[in-house]
Order: sequence, then structure tokens, then C-alpha cells
Amino acid sequence: EAGVAQSPRYKIIEKRQSVAFWCNPISGHATLYWYQQILGQGPKLLIQFQNNGVVDDSQLPKDRFSAERLKGVDSTLKIQPAKLEDSAVYLCASSLRGGRGRDEQYFGPGTRLTVT
Amino acid sequence: LAKTTQPISMDSYEGQEVNITCSHNNIATNDYITWYQQFPSQGPRFIIQGYKTKVTNEVASLFIPADRKSSTLSLPRVSLSDTAVYYCLVGDGSGGGADGLTFGKGTHLIIQP
Repeated sequence: EAGVAQSPRYKIIEKRQSVAFWCNPISGHATLYWYQQILGQGPKLLIQFQNNGVVDDSQLPKDRFSAERLKGVDSTLKIQPAKLEDSAVYLCASSLRGGRGRDEQYFGPGTRLTVT
Repeated sequence: LAKTTQPISMDSYEGQEVNITCSHNNIATNDYITWYQQFPSQGPRFIIQGYKTKVTNEVASLFIPADRKSSTLSLPRVSLSDTAVYYCLVGDGSGGGADGLTFGKGTHLIIQP
């Protein structure tokens, strides 16, 4: 079974530039998550999709971050404009059903973003 | 959301059994306890999940006392490759929102030869 795919793996940009990350979840998984992981900390949930709809985006900085899930499959996360504090690893995960703290999440390898 | 507390770090040696305890004093009736493992430069990986008593799979055991205010992840006969960060999560997904998808800082487990 193919895992969660993410691209790019690494990205370096200057502050105030924009950047986009792509995620392809495991086939058939209804729920997709985007996390931000700052060095030395655990992953922080940014947004959760259930099929096409947003379940939770309470921790997404909406003034600069946006995300969409196309046709309930692939997803993109965008940052515009980037700030220095956005330097982190951005993880995408998917789960079969989701909306449940008991559903196993499968994580991608992440995209390491450095903002200079 | 139930808050979890874990030790920041632990050390052990190859071949030993390692027990990592997580406190979750305000766990709700419908909450499940889930543990993830994360290696450097990788996303977290599901290890085990339980609701009460004991759960065992091919890699770990999870012990949950009757009051469910804590849980212990047990790794039998660890090897160097078990050096990683281990996260304890508590949640049920009964409502909307983040549903127990809060990772703390985790426990950094270091296994020595």
C-alpha cells in the first residue's frame, strides 16, 4: 500500500515570499490533516479535512495560511507571505474515517521549510 | 481535550524493557489512548491504542489502570533502533474540532549499547 506522499521535501524561501506544499493521501482515506512541527516540539494540527469539507481549522493562521482539498483527494497548503517563525516541518497525514481520536493516522515524510 | 504529561526524556540500554508513563488526569469516558513514535526527519508512526486494561501488539504493550488517569507504554527488549520520540495522545472524536489530536512534546527515548 502506497503511503502518504508530500512534495517538495525541502524548501528555502525569503520572508514575505509565498510557498505551497502538496499532499497526496492514502487512497480511500476520507480524512486529511496538515500539521506544523517546529524543531523540538510535537506536531500542531493546522487543519483537518473530512472529504472535501473542513472539520477544524481553529489553529490555522488564516491571515497568511490557506489550504484546500481538491475533490476530496489531494491537498495543498499555502503560506503567503511567509514569516521567519513559519520555519518548520509541515506534515500531512490521512486516516480512513477520521473525526475520531481513535482513528490511526498515517503520516507523510513532511516538507522542511526554512524562511530566511 | 484531555491534557497529557510525559517525561521529557528517558535513557535505557539494549535488551532492556522500557516503560514510558503518560498522565491524563482529566480523561473523558469516551477517550481512547494512542501512542505514536517519531524518528528524526520522519512523520510520526502509530504504535498502539487502547481504552482500558491491557493491549498488546507485535511491537508494544499498553497498560491502562482502572481509573484510566494514566497509561504506560511498554517496549520489550529495546534495541538502538528504538531511539525516538514517543507521543501519548488522548481523545475520542465525539465532537468536532481537534478531537484529541494534540501532540505534546513527547518523550525522547535514548537507547545505548
